[in-house]
Amino acid sequence: DAKTTQPPSMDCAEGRAANLPCNHSTISGNEYVYWYRQIHSQGPQYIIHGLKNNETNEMASLIITEDRKSSTLILPHATLRDTAVYYCIVRVGGGNAGNMLTFGGGTRLMVKP
Amino acid sequence: GAVVSQHPSRVICKSGTSVKIECRSLDFQATTMFWYRQFPKKSLMLMATSNEGSKATYEQGVEKDKFLINHASLTLSTLTVTSAHPEDSSFYICSASDLKDTQYFGPGTRLTVL
Repeated sequence: DAKTTQPPSMDCAEGRAANLPCNHSTISGNEYVYWYRQIHSQGPQYIIHGLKNNETNEMASLIITEDRKSSTLILPHATLRDTAVYYCIVRVGGGNAGNMLTFGGGTRLMVKP
Repeated sequence: GAVVSQHPSRVICKSGTSVKIECRSLDFQATTMFWYRQFPKKSLMLMATSNEGSKATYEQGVEKDKFLINHASLTLSTLTVTSAHPEDSSFYICSASDLKDTQYFGPGTRLTVL
């Protein structure tokens, strides 16, 4: 699986958009970008994933650059409850159940009032 | 949808005893489940991949005789920590893959071995 690089920590003001970057310059053509987050002492929560098109759901938006070497997770209106460690993971996916996830260090997002 | 449960959420046991942790996919069937371990302030480390009806695949350095995994049905996998010792104290988390290969995680089990 391609390695990802994320900033170790970020701050965001409550109510503002949180933009979390991820670099994955060695991504392969069949690898997806997945985002999870982990709130303290809980299991990771799935947020969103994509292959090459931008994606949006009720939690967030995922913007993937045209060359697919980087992506940005956007939380449009961050709340205090969005404070968590956010993991960007790149791996083969989509239809073949059983592909493992490899967690890196993630970005610790602190949403401040 | 896509809810995964774990039981128990917290367990304290004496050294030398065995502890069983259950992982259930509540609203979907999962042919593959995964077990992770997380130490304080560290990231999740994959321990093993569990496939329904077959033997689990363990990651390098994980003792299969110490961490027994059973995946008896499409909605249940169990992890048994045998002869637990204080160094096995950790946060154990399971996940289950749906048919679209998206993994959903359980809430975790905090094991403390005295």
